Amino acid sequence: EPEVTQTPSHQVTQMGQEVILRCVPISNHLYFYWYRQILGQKVEFLVSFYNNEISEKSEIFDDQFSVERPDGSNFTLKIRSTKLEDSAMYFCASSGLGQINQPQHFGDGTRLSIL
Amino acid sequence: TQLLEQSPQFLSIQEGENLTVYCNSSSVFSSLQWYRQEPGEGPVLLVTVVTGGEVKKLKRLTFQFGDARKDSSLHITAAQTGDTGLYLCAGERKLEYGNKLVFGAGTILRVKS
Repeated sequence: EPEVTQTPSHQVTQMGQEVILRCVPISNHLYFYWYRQILGQKVEFLVSFYNNEISEKSEIFDDQFSVERPDGSNFTLKIRSTKLEDSAMYFCASSGLGQINQPQHFGDGTRLSIL
Repeated sequence: TQLLEQSPQFLSIQEGENLTVYCNSSSVFSSLQWYRQEPGEGPVLLVTVVTGGEVKKLKRLTFQFGDARKDSSLHITAAQTGDTGLYLCAGERKLEYGNKLVFGAGTILRVKS
């Protein structure tokens, strides 16, 4: 069964450094998402992406964050200057064509640790 | 802000017992999705309920969507140790393109043998 893959599984970065989290969504999906989960807290929506544009972003997704689909398969989340509070699990998800009740399929996440 | 309140937060039961997990909101969602998440992995979709009053069964798991599409429940019959895990409900909100999920805090279920 096709799946969403994320790399790396764990990223350790010094505060202030840039980090890029990578995702390969399911190949025929058109909608892409990033969520994050701070330890012990809820999974939170960050951003949705369609047709090479952000379709919606949360208040968490400030100017330090950006997303990109650099080629036909990858979907990346960049944090420009990381802060301690960016430490979390970051999940990529994708969903298929059609607006009606398309479930989102999640990757296994990248654990981001900011030192 | 749409919120989903999930309860209970923790549940520890003996094998063979029944249990129910609840997900409640003051907001209407397009659908409600139930996920299971294992340590170190992403959420895995169990079921999507769409229509008010809908009931779906997945072996010993029964999912119900409230008539007003604001709440949902997951009932497990005769729990097994393999049911141990984190269960998440997520309400779907339609965007112009795609959808957005609002997650509950999760229920950690432990089934003891």
